[in-house]
Amino acid sequence: DTGVSQDPRHKITKRGQNVTFRCDPISEHNRLYWYRQTLGQGPEFLTYFQNEAQLEKSRLLSDRFSAERPKGSFSTLEIQRTEQGDSAMYLCASSHDRRPGGYTFGSGTRLTVV
Amino acid sequence: QKEVEQDPGPLSVPEGAIVSLNCTYSNSAFQYFMWYRQYSRKGPELLMYTYSSGNKEDGRFTAQVDKSSKYISLFIRDSQPSDSATYLCAMDDYKLSFGAGTTVTVRA
Repeated sequence: DTGVSQDPRHKITKRGQNVTFRCDPISEHNRLYWYRQTLGQGPEFLTYFQNEAQLEKSRLLSDRFSAERPKGSFSTLEIQRTEQGDSAMYLCASSHDRRPGGYTFGSGTRLTVV
Repeated sequence: QKEVEQDPGPLSVPEGAIVSLNCTYSNSAFQYFMWYRQYSRKGPELLMYTYSSGNKEDGRFTAQVDKSSKYISLFIRDSQPSDSATYLCAMDDYKLSFGAGTTVTVRA
């Protein structure tokens, strides 16, 4: 297993454009999380899935953000009408609900909105 | 007030020194306590995790949890320049809540 993969590693987009990020979790992990991290801050929770069900969304996740996890495998995070304030590192993590504490993070997608 | 408070530093120590990091938290529902290390432009990497109050050792790393005081610590003994990174504490109650991270530089 190659761990949690995120694509792309870096995305530069113009304000107002839509962007989509992909996360491929560790195959046996049934939980998948999205976090956002800005410079000098720890990661902030955005949303999480158990299998294909999205169980919680943070109030940080505005209507412009949507996440999916079809078939409980990979996940996508889409940001519509990007704003400069969306510039951040978007991190994906996966875990198994029977192994507490066993979160594995990907290397993240760094978004720059110009 | 944030659920998890962590002094962002930065912290600079000479090689071989003991690095001491700590976090406080307010949510009694937190059951698991982790320390992550993050290098620049990389995702967090799990260093240690603990469940109960007390100490846990792993090589040069010692994690302490005091649930009664809602306080956790990480100690790094015989620090090396390769330990230079940002250290994040995190608390788990089915999702992780992170501190702001402390940037540590170990000077050769």
